[in-house]
Amino acid sequence: AQSVSQHNHHVILSEAASLELGCNYSYGGTVNLFWYVQYPGQHLQLLLKYFSGDPLVKGIKGFEAEFIKSKFSFNLRKPSVQWSDTAEYFCAVNAEGGYQKVTFGTGTKLQVIP
Amino acid sequence: GAVVSQHPSRVICKSGTSVKIECRSLDFQATTMFWYRQFPKQSLMLMATSNEGSKATYEQGVEKDKFLINHASLTLSTLTVTSAHPEDSSFYICSPLEGVQETQYFGPGTRLLVL
Repeated sequence: AQSVSQHNHHVILSEAASLELGCNYSYGGTVNLFWYVQYPGQHLQLLLKYFSGDPLVKGIKGFEAEFIKSKFSFNLRKPSVQWSDTAEYFCAVNAEGGYQKVTFGTGTKLQVIP
Repeated sequence: GAVVSQHPSRVICKSGTSVKIECRSLDFQATTMFWYRQFPKQSLMLMATSNEGSKATYEQGVEKDKFLINHASLTLSTLTVTSAHPEDSSFYICSPLEGVQETQYFGPGTRLLVL
């Protein structure tokens, strides 16, 4: 069975600091990978996804993630965070193609201090 | 972006009663609907997947007779928690899949508290 782990539960950064949120998954075959964001009081929304191709994926709002197959990782990065990036971030994996049966990580709460 | 609504946003009910949660995709057609449950400080757990006009497929450990899912149209799906008990208290989130762009959207969630 597939599983996802996010090691950082709560991250506090100052504005302009660089961000990297870890995500590791366990599944030996082909996977689709996602990062979702949930801003305070809002719905979950897709930040970026990897299905195939270039392992460095660029998403909305300056976020990017790199798929490293050998490390079973899909870490999320942003070179310079803003206060508006304060949110909860969820990594997710699907080993069955498309969006079927996506497994979510437990989430990382990011707090950006102005 | 696409709009997904859930109603009610929060509900408190007595143990033994049934609660119906509606999920509507307001400006697109959802060929597939996912229902998730999220307990405090835990991740979203997929409960079931339904395709319009078909019976839902439930994940292991989710009782299909307790969590009734109806996906009668491409814009409406309902989740009914039958004979709710305090352990069913949770945050329920619907997630319609827009078929053309293959994009998964999420509803705002319904907070259920069973007393």
